[in-house]
This record gives sequence, structure tokens and C-alpha cells, in this order.
Amino acid sequence: ETGVTQTPRHLVMGMTNKKSLKCEQHLGHNAMYWYKQSAKKPLELMFVYNFKEQTENNSVPSRFSPECPNSSHLFLHLHTLQPEDSALYLCASSQDPSGVGDTQYFGPGTRLTVL
Amino acid sequence: QKEVEQNSGPLSVPEGAIASLNCTYSDRGSQSFFWYRQYSGKSPELIMFIYSNGDKEDGRFTAQLNKASQYVSLLIRDSQPSDSATYLCAVKWRSARQLTFGSGTQLTVLP
Repeated sequence: ETGVTQTPRHLVMGMTNKKSLKCEQHLGHNAMYWYKQSAKKPLELMFVYNFKEQTENNSVPSRFSPECPNSSHLFLHLHTLQPEDSALYLCASSQDPSGVGDTQYFGPGTRLTVL
Repeated sequence: QKEVEQNSGPLSVPEGAIASLNCTYSDRGSQSFFWYRQYSGKSPELIMFIYSNGDKEDGRFTAQLNKASQYVSLLIRDSQPSDSATYLCAVKWRSARQLTFGSGTQLTVLP
């Protein structure tokens, strides 16, 4: 496989469930990102990991818990979500966040619906 | 506050015309600018980035950057129906190692 992959592609969960989203990048990049995309709203950055270390947490509620075991894998653990958390969750990776032209490449996303 | 603003559209152009998409940003501490295209139900894909004032061309796409006026635009020449998508502008601030995205402009190219 090439590029950035995400699983599952679709997820429906109840408010009391616990689930995890998985992202894997095959580009040899050092940084990985989680974004939330809701209808009619800009992409919202949630978390950034660079060389497995979390460098950004944009005031994300604790019901979202990221995990980055290595530079190629990123998880987003979900628990006790709310219906307003329903959105498209996108993973991205890039080579070096400090670079001027550092480009982020996105995975296909996970469409999450919270009932 | 650092903001990236785009006209949400929808913007409609006839096939073969030039589509012009604009993006303004509120902070002068910006570093580089990215244009992404997002088809409905899909993830964003990079079109091009620019960081120097002036024009940058890549095939049918031209990015134009004017830092003094704080705007960046994307021109699509010879628009095709397959160009119909939402176009996202993203700004990378010098003070942060992350992108801030606009809400996107929906473009429809009419056959």
C-alpha cells in the first residue's frame, strides 16, 4: 500500500461505546496529524505528532485520546462521545512541520456517526 | 486572531472558462500557502503551494500571492467539469508548524 490509509472508513457508535480509529502512513514521514471536518466548517486540527512526540493539542476534549506508537502509525481512541462529535476524521502526514513547503498528505478519512 | 477566509460560493463557471478562487488571511506572520482540492465525500488533495510573492504555475493551475495585501488566489484555466469540487486554502504561520484552513469555496464547472 502507498500513501496514507485509515480504518475503518465508516463508524457508527453509541455515546457509551469505546472505539479506535487507525491511521498508517507509508511515505516515510516524521509527522502525523488528526483533523476533524464538520459540515460547512473549516478543517479543525486536533493533534500533531512529530517523531512520535505530541506537539499540538488544540484544546480537544479528553474523550478523544491520541496514541502514536511510531512515526508510521497514529490512533485516535474514542469514548463517551457526543452526537456533535459526528464528523469526518482525517489523518495526515508530512515530512517536516518546520519546512516552508512541508506538504501534508491526507488519508481517505473515517466518517463517524455518534447516535 | 489568525484567520483564513474564503468565499464559500458556490462559484459556477462554464466549461473552458477561467475559474478564479480567492483567499485572504489576517496575519502578516505567514510563511507559506497551500491550495487543496476536495471532491465530495473524499479527502483533500494538494494542488500546489506558494511562498514567494508573484505567480506560480503548474499545468492549468496558477497560484498568485500578494503578501502586502494578504491574499492568495488560484486560477484554473480551461476549466473542466472534473474540476468541480471544493477548494481549500491553507496558511502556514511562521510562528506555528501547522496549517490553518479556510472553509473552502465550492466550484461548479458547467458543461
